[in-house]
Amino acid sequence: NAGVTQTPKFRILKIGQSMTLQCTQDMNHNYMYWYRQDPGMGLKLIYYSVGAGITDKGEVPNGYNVSRSTTEDFPLRLELAAPSQTSVYFCASSYSTEKLFFGSGTQLSVL
Amino acid sequence: DQQVKQNSPSLSVQEGRISILNCDYTNSMFDYFLWYKKYPAEGPTFLISISSIKDKNEDGRFTVFLNKSAKHLSLHIVPSQPGDSAVYFCAARNGGATNKLIFGTGTLLAVQP
Repeated sequence: NAGVTQTPKFRILKIGQSMTLQCTQDMNHNYMYWYRQDPGMGLKLIYYSVGAGITDKGEVPNGYNVSRSTTEDFPLRLELAAPSQTSVYFCASSYSTEKLFFGSGTQLSVL
Repeated sequence: DQQVKQNSPSLSVQEGRISILNCDYTNSMFDYFLWYKKYPAEGPTFLISISSIKDKNEDGRFTVFLNKSAKHLSLHIVPSQPGDSAVYFCAARNGGATNKLIFGTGTLLAVQP
């Protein structure tokens, strides 16, 4: 089992560029999440999904979009990247609402 | 508004001794608490959890204690090992909301050989 796979691991963007962070899981989990972690801060929820076709905003959704067309995939789209979006992004999935399985993260720098 | 607080950014402990990591919360609606462990360049991994109806949960070297009246939980690691050196995040689930975990800022544990 690969678990939760995120790509890319690292990326540098210029201000105003767009990109999609990919996330896929092979555990047939209904719940999927995107978090960001800034230095010295906890994990902040960006968006989450309770199943294919259903998404909802978390604590910090501005500047991001998501889609969930399949159970396996939950891509995160950044439109018009800004320096404030420099962070480490983690995708996670879960069977229930408790124990989350995380990917290894994407380190994004916006310059 | 930080609903889950880990006031100690770091902790250093000698190998073999007890490590105690603390977490405070403000929301009385939280019904489930978890601890995650994170190594550099990796995602967090689940360590141990506790329901709000319990006051203690034990798994091997790891024990989590919950004091609901004080809105405080702690993670005890006995005995501490160098491989335990990592960042530990406390997280809480709001029973009134769907599927959302609120994370603390983390505590960096260093276990000295």
